[in-house]
Amino acid sequence: AQSVAQPEDQVNVAEGNPLTVKCTYSVSGNPYLFWYVQYPNRGLQFLLKYITGDNLVKGSYGFEAEFNKSQTSFHLKKPSALVSDSALYFCAVRDSGDSWGKFQFGAGTQVVVTP
Amino acid sequence: EADIYQTPRYLVIGTGKKITLECSQTMGHDKMYWYQQDPGMELHLIHYSYGVNSTEKGDLSSESTVSRIRTEHFPLTLESARPSHTSQYLCASSDRINSYEQYFGPGTRLTVT
Repeated sequence: AQSVAQPEDQVNVAEGNPLTVKCTYSVSGNPYLFWYVQYPNRGLQFLLKYITGDNLVKGSYGFEAEFNKSQTSFHLKKPSALVSDSALYFCAVRDSGDSWGKFQFGAGTQVVVTP
Repeated sequence: EADIYQTPRYLVIGTGKKITLECSQTMGHDKMYWYQQDPGMELHLIHYSYGVNSTEKGDLSSESTVSRIRTEHFPLTLESARPSHTSQYLCASSDRINSYEQYFGPGTRLTVT
């Protein structure tokens, strides 16, 4: 079984400050980890993924995430937040051994960036 | 351009009507998914497909049905819509080449009155 926890329902940050959105996971095999962003009345947009290799993954719009195997975490970060980063963020995991490709999504974290 | 499409984007319909939500992808992906999402809330997998003529129910029980007659097409049908079906429905597709990264359509927002 696989699961994802996003412990914060909402993260508030001032524009220009660092942004962190937390994600921890549980999976029986090796994890493939993903971050998506969703704007109102839209589908999910892919930000970045960790499959293997370097633990620090860089993605779209200046976002990055660090895979920490010992802490089973995959926190999303951005050094300097923009008002346009305000959106709903989802972390997802799948087991690398699962060829059926099913994801387990977290509950989502609403990010609010104030000017 | 490879993409995933959903129609209609918005639908308001009366109770008891039959509706079909369309989803098509041009990427040749073998796997497709339907999720149900209330506004600002988590996604719930309601159906998935591994390929043509292969469909499975997801983690959340749903009164909807799906079919996969062609690789690119994965429609979702509600035989008799009810107000409890009011939600956003998201379609996605993936394949193993991109480690099953899921590509999402824009969604259909359904309101049943």
